[in-house]
Amino acid sequence: AQSVTQLDSHVSVSEGTPVLLRCNYSSSYSPSLFWYVQHPNKGLQLLLKYTSAATLVKGINGFEAEFKKSETSFHLTKPSAHMSDAAEYFCVVSGWDMDTGRRALTFGSGTRLQVQP
Amino acid sequence: DAGVTQSPTHLIKTRGQQVTLRCSPKSGHDTVSWYQQALGQGPQFIFQYYEEEERQRGNFPDRFSGHQFPNYSSELNVNALLLGDSALYLCASSWGIDRGRETQYFGPGTRLLVL
Repeated sequence: AQSVTQLDSHVSVSEGTPVLLRCNYSSSYSPSLFWYVQHPNKGLQLLLKYTSAATLVKGINGFEAEFKKSETSFHLTKPSAHMSDAAEYFCVVSGWDMDTGRRALTFGSGTRLQVQP
Repeated sequence: DAGVTQSPTHLIKTRGQQVTLRCSPKSGHDTVSWYQQALGQGPQFIFQYYEEEERQRGNFPDRFSGHQFPNYSSELNVNALLLGDSALYLCASSWGIDRGRETQYFGPGTRLLVL
């Protein structure tokens, strides 16, 4: 079955330091991968997506992610954290679920990013 | 240009009741997907509507049903509510079904509490 594992439930960084949010996926077909951010009491906003083009994907607000097929990873990074980056981040995979024979969209359990002043 | 809108924002129901949630997609979008997000968890896919038909469905019981109207808006209906149905229900819209590569735009959600 298709799955997404976000390796850290909480990440805390200082403002101005790099951010790394880790995501591993399992999918039996060439997947599409997404990162979404959810601020408190707000809907999900797309940060970036990978759809089999360039493996290094640049998104909004300075975020980027690299698709590594050999490692089945799609980690999210940002060179310098801002206070406004504090939020919940979700890694999402979209691909064929061989168990059900249908395309499925699967969310990870989320990583809460805290940014310390 | 309005984004995805959902109504109501909050709702309180009791066990056994029925509830209807509504979603209007972003202008120009024709596909609507519904998700359930329990507290502290990631969203789980309920189903997707395109051309007024349910195109895909996640692992949810038949108590969860939906509808899409000719103007692309959508409803999510849940019958015989259980305490475990308490969650944030998210609607997402997109244009077409591009083998999972389409970008989905999410609404702010409807928070349902079942007592």
